[in-house]
Amino acid sequence: DTAVSQTPKYLVTQMGNDKSIKCEQNLGHDTMYWYKQDSKKFLKIMFSYNNKELIINETVPNRFSPKSPDKAHLNLHINSLELGDSAVYFCASSSDRGEQYFGPGTRLTVT
Amino acid sequence: GDSVTQMEGPVTLSEEAFLTINCTYTATGYPSLFWYVQYPGEGLQLLLKATKADDKGSNKGFEATYRKETTSFHLEKGSVQVSDSAVYFCAVSDPIRKLIWGLGTSLAVNP
Repeated sequence: DTAVSQTPKYLVTQMGNDKSIKCEQNLGHDTMYWYKQDSKKFLKIMFSYNNKELIINETVPNRFSPKSPDKAHLNLHINSLELGDSAVYFCASSSDRGEQYFGPGTRLTVT
Repeated sequence: GDSVTQMEGPVTLSEEAFLTINCTYTATGYPSLFWYVQYPGEGLQLLLKATKADDKGSNKGFEATYRKETTSFHLEKGSVQVSDSAVYFCAVSDPIRKLIWGLGTSLAVNP
């Protein structure tokens, strides 16, 4: 039983394209997150939703738009992809106790 | 603002050696503290946590004690194995349930 799942696991695309990454959690958590991890393993929070409401919106280009259709899903849409968007994107969810549970990641490569 | 400082890696040890990865934090109030582990090609997994001063978190032979007087949460293991090779992240919770992350410490254990 996968707790936090993401699709796709790998995404290779060309500059200028638009792509989406999907995330689902079956833990019953109210809060979900998107993170970007660069090649040096630095982890940067991008967005957080609590019960479908955006609560954290870090300094991220407007080309990135999260969407939460319900509290179990948080998708990430990226417009006009750039080389610098290449990274691993992680979805996570958390309970009231604060610990976060991560998905397996989506490795995005922009060529 | 809140911050986490982790010792820089990479750390290279021989099997059965003693491991310490230092972590100090600055935060207001009484945050929860976490260690996460990321094995190659995988997402982050919660390794252990502590929610109040003097709590000791432990899991898989790893331990860390919440030291409020020194604002530290150092990770230790008495005898590392090759399978412990991974990147280790220290994190502290903030009031809006966001985690503040350290930069990660890469550990390589040689047989």
